Amino acid sequence: GAGVSQTPSNKVTEKGKYVELRCDPISGHTALYWYRQSLGQGPEFLIYFQGTGAADDSGLPNDRFFAVRPEGSVSTLKIQRTERGDSAVYLCASSPGLAFDNEQFFGPGTRLTVL
Amino acid sequence: SQQGEEDPQALSIQEGENATMNCSYKTSINNLQWYRQNSGRGLVHLILIRSNEREKHSGRLRVTLDTSKKSSSLLITASRAADTASYFCATDAEGYSTLTFGKGTMLLVSP
Repeated sequence: GAGVSQTPSNKVTEKGKYVELRCDPISGHTALYWYRQSLGQGPEFLIYFQGTGAADDSGLPNDRFFAVRPEGSVSTLKIQRTERGDSAVYLCASSPGLAFDNEQFFGPGTRLTVL
Repeated sequence: SQQGEEDPQALSIQEGENATMNCSYKTSINNLQWYRQNSGRGLVHLILIRSNEREKHSGRLRVTLDTSKKSSSLLITASRAADTASYFCATDAEGYSTLTFGKGTMLLVSP
C-alpha cells in the first residue's frame, strides 16, 4: 500500500514568510509525528498527534510553529514569520500506535530553505 | 537534547566485513529502535528491542541491549555496498510516548 507522503518535496521561501507543509500518513495509523532534521544531525522531535489531538507538542521550538490534524488523518505543519534558522528537512512519520512500542514509517521529507 | 549518542560517527569498511555501531543513552527506556537513512529511501525502521530483551536478530542484523550500561550495539554481518547509509538509534524515555534520535553513524561500504 501507499506509504507516508509529504508535500511539497522542496520549499524555498523568503525570511518572514508563512509556509505550510503537508503530511499524508498511512491509512489507519492513529499516531502522527513531525520531526526536523538538520545536516549531520538525527531527527529532532517537534510534535506528536494521537488522532486529532496534539498529545505532545513539547518539541516545537517557539510559537511560530503550529500543527493541526483536524480529521485525524492529514496533518499540516505551519511556520509563521520564517527565519533562516528554520531551514532544515521536515519529516513526518506515522505509526499504528504509540511510538515507543511500534516502528515509525517515515515520509521522504520536505526540504525547507529560508533565504 | 539528544538522548542517544552513536559511536563511531563514521565507519568505512570493505564489502563482506562486519560493521558494529554503538549507541549510549541517558535515561531509563521502554524500548530502543534502530533506523537507517539513505538518500534513496529516507528513514527506514530496522529493528526494535525491548528493555527486557538482551539480544535480537533480523537477517544480517544483530542488536544487543545492556540496560545496566545504558548502551546498545548494532552489528551488520557480511556487509554489502547497499548497506551504505546513516544509522540512528532512537529511544523513548520511560513515561513518554515519543522517540529521541541520536546523531547517527555514517557507514560507508566499499566494493
